[in-house]
Amino acid sequence: DIQMTQSPSTLSAAVGDRVTITCRASQSISMWLAWYQQKPGRAPKLLIYRVSSLESGVPSRFSGNGSGTEFTLTISSLQPDDIATYYCQQSKGYPFTFGQGTKLEIK
Amino acid sequence: QVHLQQSGPGLVKPSQTLSLTCDISGDSVSSISDTWNWIRQSPSRGLEWLGRTYYRSKWYNDYAVSVKSRITINPDTSKNHFSLQLNSVTPEDTAVYYCARGGYSGWLDYWGQGTLVTVSS
Repeated sequence: DIQMTQSPSTLSAAVGDRVTITCRASQSISMWLAWYQQKPGRAPKLLIYRVSSLESGVPSRFSGNGSGTEFTLTISSLQPDDIATYYCQQSKGYPFTFGQGTKLEIK
Repeated sequence: QVHLQQSGPGLVKPSQTLSLTCDISGDSVSSISDTWNWIRQSPSRGLEWLGRTYYRSKWYNDYAVSVKSRITINPDTSKNHFSLQLNSVTPEDTAVYYCARGGYSGWLDYWGQGTLVTVSS
């Protein structure tokens, strides 16, 4: 299985801060990477697919970058509504696998 | 607008079969551009993709190796839904189970509301 490792596991930031979450794959996954946001008691929500394509309706402060084995999710100006846990997911190989999550907290 | 509505029991006894259904509105289980997935989430295993079914002139299934011997995902075109069956469950199968729509590419754009399934006698 392709292992996905996110860092940090927890991130504390202030409203307005620029926030970056990193996801590393155990082998090259090319552009087969998506990011999800999950709030407590809710299903994950697709934010970004194919590394950097923004899902419809997602605010433009979210952006994705990377290729191969290293990827980032950036929030350009953190808003209170962004408090959630974020997951990366690869779909290069079966089984599709997720990172362990990054919990974003307001400082 | 696509909506996925899950149904099924929240408690299953060890060694029995877990069965869940995902009703689709706003799309078709026979869509040739979509796939229909099951994912589960637990504190110990995180988010775990279990498998999917999809139609491309005929029906296909892809399953995670970790559950391949125990899982069946079936479409039902007459009811426009798809189902999950997981056999011989143990307490380690306790999780919140989600259904989700995806493209063949693998990202999941619509999710069901989630069902907490507890495996306990």
